[in-house]
Amino acid sequence: EAGVTQFPSHSVIEKGQTVTLRCDPISGHDNLYWYRRVMGKEIKFLLHFVKESKQDESGMPNNRFLAERTGGTYSTLKVQPAELEDSGVYFCASSQHGLAVGETQYFGPGTRLLVL
Amino acid sequence: EDQVTQSPEALRLQEGESSSLNCSYTVSGLRGLFWYRQDPGKGPEFLFTLYSAGEEKEKERLKATLTKKESFLHITAPKPEDSATYLCAVQTLLSGGYNKLIFGAGTRLAVHP
Repeated sequence: EAGVTQFPSHSVIEKGQTVTLRCDPISGHDNLYWYRRVMGKEIKFLLHFVKESKQDESGMPNNRFLAERTGGTYSTLKVQPAELEDSGVYFCASSQHGLAVGETQYFGPGTRLLVL
Repeated sequence: EDQVTQSPEALRLQEGESSSLNCSYTVSGLRGLFWYRQDPGKGPEFLFTLYSAGEEKEKERLKATLTKKESFLHITAPKPEDSATYLCAVQTLLSGGYNKLIFGAGTRLAVHP
């Protein structure tokens, strides 16, 4: 069974440009999460989808970030326009049910974003 | 405020030298405590879930334990391939009853031959 995949693995862009990150969750997993680790800090929650619906986006830093999950399959996270402080590693995770106590979230390899 | 603190930040061991990593937490409504392993350039890889104080889980040279305020990851006779960053995360509630993870900053473990 394929795990969570993310594309691209790395992205280097200039301040003010737009970048779109993609995540493909494990097949059959209704729950998809985006997390981010900025330099020297811990991994932090950004938002959560249940199927195609945004369930919680309390961790999104500002309105330059837009996440979508059309059709309830893959998800995209767009940063527009990118700022220097957006640099970091963006992780996607998925889980099957989302409500179960102790349910495991499985992580993708991450997209390393560098904004110059 | 929910918080997870891991110590030490970095640990260097000789092969075969056993040690423990610490994860202390303050959270309202713990739904589970997770240990993940992360290799350079990769995403977190699930190791263990612990639910209640007194619980222990083992996998090869790793054993995780949980108390009401902290968790330990014990590494017995480590090998160089155990070198990685070990992440601790607690599971708490999002709106609607869904789960989210709050991570610690991790412990970077280096095991030398």
